[in-house]
Amino acid sequence: AQSVTQLGSHVSVSEGALVLLRCNYSSSVPPYLFWYVQYPNQGLQLLLKYTSAATLVKGINGFEAEFKKSETSFHLTKPSAHMSDAAEYFCAVSPDTGRRALTFGSGTRLQVQP
Amino acid sequence: DAGVTQSPTHLIKTRGQQVTLRCSPKSGHDTVSWYQQALGQGPQFIFQYYEEEERQRGNFPDRFSGHQFPNYSSELNVNALLLGDSALYLCASSLHPRRGAGAGEQFFGPGTRLTVL
Repeated sequence: AQSVTQLGSHVSVSEGALVLLRCNYSSSVPPYLFWYVQYPNQGLQLLLKYTSAATLVKGINGFEAEFKKSETSFHLTKPSAHMSDAAEYFCAVSPDTGRRALTFGSGTRLQVQP
Repeated sequence: DAGVTQSPTHLIKTRGQQVTLRCSPKSGHDTVSWYQQALGQGPQFIFQYYEEEERQRGNFPDRFSGHQFPNYSSELNVNALLLGDSALYLCASSLHPRRGAGAGEQFFGPGTRLTVL
């Protein structure tokens, strides 16, 4: 069985500040991990994915995440927040590259203050 | 290149009614998955269709059923609607991994918001 825990349902940062969104996973098999972003009234857009290659994964819009097996974590970061980053972010885990069912966390809403 | 499309955008039903939601996958994709996203929660997997058959199913009752057509489009049917079925229903399409490298990534549509009164 697989599960994802996202710490912090709401995160607020100032524009230009570091963004850190936390994700911890539980998996009985080597996991594939994903971060998705959801803007209001839209579907989910893939930001980045970890598929057992490099542990530091770079995604779109300046986001990156680091897979740490010892900590069972896959935290999402961005050095400098932009107003357009305000959205809901979901971490997800799958037993493969995404073909099979994704198990999502409960989400973190990111607010960016001017 | 059209992405994943879903219809209708919004839907209001009353308890006990039945509803059908529709999804057209991204061009070239052959696999469709459905997810339910309740307010303030992450999406939950309902089921996945490939080659017109249900291949995987999440923890949802039999009131939730689906279909995939030869053109890969899909329908989600929910019978005997309950208040708790109110949610955003997301469709995701992907290319079956046997099609080659890069396959498997799920692309999501904008969703259908279902309200049950």
